[in-house]
Amino acid sequence: QVQLRESGPGLVKPSQTLSLTCTVSGGSIRSGAYYWSWIRQHPGKGLEWIGYIYYSGSTYYNPSLKSRVTISLDTSKNQFSLKLSSVSAADTAVYFCARGITSSSTYFDPWGQGTLVTVSS
Amino acid sequence: QSVLTQPPSASGTPGQRVTISCSGSSSNIGSSYVYWYQQLPGTAPKVLIYRDNQRPSGVPDRFSGSKSGTSASLAISGLRSEDEADYYCAAWDDSLSVLFGGGTKLTVL
Repeated sequence: QVQLRESGPGLVKPSQTLSLTCTVSGGSIRSGAYYWSWIRQHPGKGLEWIGYIYYSGSTYYNPSLKSRVTISLDTSKNQFSLKLSSVSAADTAVYFCARGITSSSTYFDPWGQGTLVTVSS
Repeated sequence: QSVLTQPPSASGTPGQRVTISCSGSSSNIGSSYVYWYQQLPGTAPKVLIYRDNQRPSGVPDRFSGSKSGTSASLAISGLRSEDEADYYCAAWDDSLSVLFGGGTKLTVL
């Protein structure tokens, strides 16, 4: 059974870069049947898709975040990562990583438990 | 404000049937499948409905999805207390992005 777990700093200073890693266990990120995604949820708010990456390296990003987002794969560690630059308080949120199914652009399963990142000085 | 529009709240009593709507446009719901997610308090979302009206294994048949034009609906019949959660619709958009609805908080009275 595939499991995902997010890790990274829980506190980031304004203007710095937020960096998170998602470790995948129970399955390989090298499979072409899946893509690997980041989704966030502001406190008490709804879900916001950040972007995803295919094993091929192709990426799709939320247009509203595209200029600040980078998602990458580390196949040697079976991990994928998120970098969000020039953060502000508006980026405070719970960040989820999730696996997507290639044949369905919006089918995210499973999800990690989520990690809260607070942007504050 | 989300491009996919959902009512912020819905409610019902045990045993009732409740529907949650999701309104979009020709660039998303009108041209792509709709997915529904259930988020129980303090947990990550899980897929409830995929490809408009398909249920993953393990999801009770009390949950059903439908779509017409640029709108979709999630119906929950035989409402139970454990159905109290936030529900989100999602769809791919022609802008090459995934859209989520703003979410609907379901209260079981």
